[in-house]
Amino acid sequence: GESVGLHLPTLSVQEGDNSIINCAYSNSASDYFIWYKQESGKGPQFIIDIRSNMDKRQGQRVTVLLNKTVKHLSLQIAATQPGDSAVYFCAENTNSNSGYALNFGKGTSLLVTP
Amino acid sequence: DTEVTQTPKHLVMGMTNKKSLKCEQHMGHRAMYWYKQKAKKPPELMFVYSYEKLSINESVPSRFSPECPNSSLLNLHLHALQPEDSALYLCASSQERSRANTEAFFGQGTRLTVV
Repeated sequence: GESVGLHLPTLSVQEGDNSIINCAYSNSASDYFIWYKQESGKGPQFIIDIRSNMDKRQGQRVTVLLNKTVKHLSLQIAATQPGDSAVYFCAENTNSNSGYALNFGKGTSLLVTP
Repeated sequence: DTEVTQTPKHLVMGMTNKKSLKCEQHMGHRAMYWYKQKAKKPPELMFVYSYEKLSINESVPSRFSPECPNSSLLNLHLHALQPEDSALYLCASSQERSRANTEAFFGQGTRLTVV
């Protein structure tokens, strides 16, 4: 059964500060990674992606870093705003015998305080 | 149009009921997915359809029955569910499953409560 009182890892930051959310992945063969943002009561929303032949990719206020040596992914959000408060998931696109599918990491809850 | 539309948004059903969840996309995507998400947990893959054929069933109980009538529609038929099946059910689509660099677009989900 499901654990009662299970909490997501939580990161609390002040508005205007930079946020760093980390993710470890397990499959060294994964070749594509996505960060999703999920607000309460909504579906996951694409933020940024990165291919395994890159180690950094930048978007608007967001940067994703990939370290394949230690199988680590991070999402940096610059000048964090209250609207950034959400749960953030990393997802890896892994290939099985029947093709690719997205597998999600555990998630981090980001809380932005004024 | 980059939208995946799921209906209904909320559903309450008894353990003896039969109901269906619906998902629709008009992006020309040929891969569609059902995920189940419990509170404070990541989405878990249930089924994958590729070119209207079921390509992955992640050991989901038979009380969940997926159907892909055409390339734009995906249904999830529910029968004899248990209270522990209460969750957010998410539909997603992507261009193709055979390509690695393929972003999946998610719907807003159906919040299912089994009583």
